[in-house]
Amino acid sequence: GDSVTQMEGPVTLSEEAFLTINCTYTATGYPSLFWYVQYPGEGLQLLLKATKADDKGSNKGFEATYRKETTSFHLEKGSVQVSDSAVYFCALRNDYKLSFGAGTTVTVRA
Amino acid sequence: GAGVSQSPSNKVTEKGKDVELRCDPISGHTALYWYRQSLGQGLEFLIYFQGNSAPDKSGLPSDRFSAERTGGSVSTLTIQRTQQEDSAVYLCASSLGQGENGYTFGSGTRLTVV
Repeated sequence: GDSVTQMEGPVTLSEEAFLTINCTYTATGYPSLFWYVQYPGEGLQLLLKATKADDKGSNKGFEATYRKETTSFHLEKGSVQVSDSAVYFCALRNDYKLSFGAGTTVTVRA
Repeated sequence: GAGVSQSPSNKVTEKGKDVELRCDPISGHTALYWYRQSLGQGLEFLIYFQGNSAPDKSGLPSDRFSAERTGGSVSTLTIQRTQQEDSAVYLCASSLGQGENGYTFGSGTRLTVV
């Protein structure tokens, strides 16, 4: 079946540091890929998406590129802020079902 | 509505009692999903509704769990004879089509079984 593996946290960074969260997937067919973010006390929010190979999703300074050859969708941000502290989930959509990674907790210190 | 609304936001219940969780999707969204978020299990798919089609119930963990969607809008997730392992955050989401552009999630219902 479909599955998503993302790097385990927690990740603690200083403000303005570079953030990478690795995500790899296993799926049949041609899934769409997503990153969701969950800020403290809030629900899941869609951060960015990519629907086909080589697509780059971007939002709020975050980027991820759909790499079919390595079955990866790593999340990056060049300069994090304290407000980026959250749990980040990588997900794939095959047919109508979303499969999620376990989530990575990111804490950014001032 | 403007977003996916879930109620109650928190529910504490005694083991063995039945609970009902409600989800009000975004108006016009034909698809509705229930997920469960628990420690150690991550986010698990429970059930999917699409329009008037038969729902995909393949993720429901036991026959104590059931869900319905009335009039293609509001959905209720019912857990009968609750157990402590049912404690989790239950998330509802809705989407246009089959979620090609992602789902919109509600804030969830935190269920605690004592």
